[in-house]
Amino acid sequence: DTEVTQTPKHLVMGMTNKKSLKCEQHMGHRAMYWYKQKAKKPPELMFVYSYEKLSINESVPSRFSPECPNSSLLNLHLHALQPEDSALYLCASSQDRGWAEAFFGQGTRLTVV
Amino acid sequence: AQSVTQLGSHVSVSEGALVLLRCNYSSSVPPYLFWYVQYPNQGLQLLLKYTSAATLVKGINGFEAEFKKSETSFHLTKPSAHMSDAAEYFCAVNTGANSKLTFGKGITLSVRP
Repeated sequence: DTEVTQTPKHLVMGMTNKKSLKCEQHMGHRAMYWYKQKAKKPPELMFVYSYEKLSINESVPSRFSPECPNSSLLNLHLHALQPEDSALYLCASSQDRGWAEAFFGQGTRLTVV
Repeated sequence: AQSVTQLGSHVSVSEGALVLLRCNYSSSVPPYLFWYVQYPNQGLQLLLKYTSAATLVKGINGFEAEFKKSETSFHLTKPSAHMSDAAEYFCAVNTGANSKLTFGKGITLSVRP
């Protein structure tokens, strides 16, 4: 199984809503990532979890809150988002080594209204 | 600091023609290099990776890339383009320091019938 599964595929939320994005992998990877991708742009790293501990936070606003409940799951909690936060949110996982490729999920298309 | 540069934003080729997508890297240490492809509204899929085992790397879908240290390049090629190759292509680098992939800005490949 080389899949990273993200739910939901699409999400529309108001600026006062609270929602969560979910990501799951069963490849035994110990590094998991959240990326944000705007149209016609490369993915931008938001967070990295290594062995279930947050190892990198790329100065992401606190309205985005990551959580890694166990080695297979990664969540991204969203609260009080702005319209400019609308984007494709990608989850990825890899072995925690520089030579290891990252496997990406299909993404969640988020629209903030 | 590590980075990759993808010159240009769009390449258009005829079906059956050679595909050449350029990537140059900047890294103070030997890098790990990756090419990813992204189809519309989907996640990223690994095409191939360089991890120092061999300078000519073969990937999926007939793509290959050659690592040239003297030119700090890792260009992606395919001898004969197919309509299904139309997508966004990203070059990425990781020096292994912290499992952090850095992406180039991407390049859109169009294939004309």
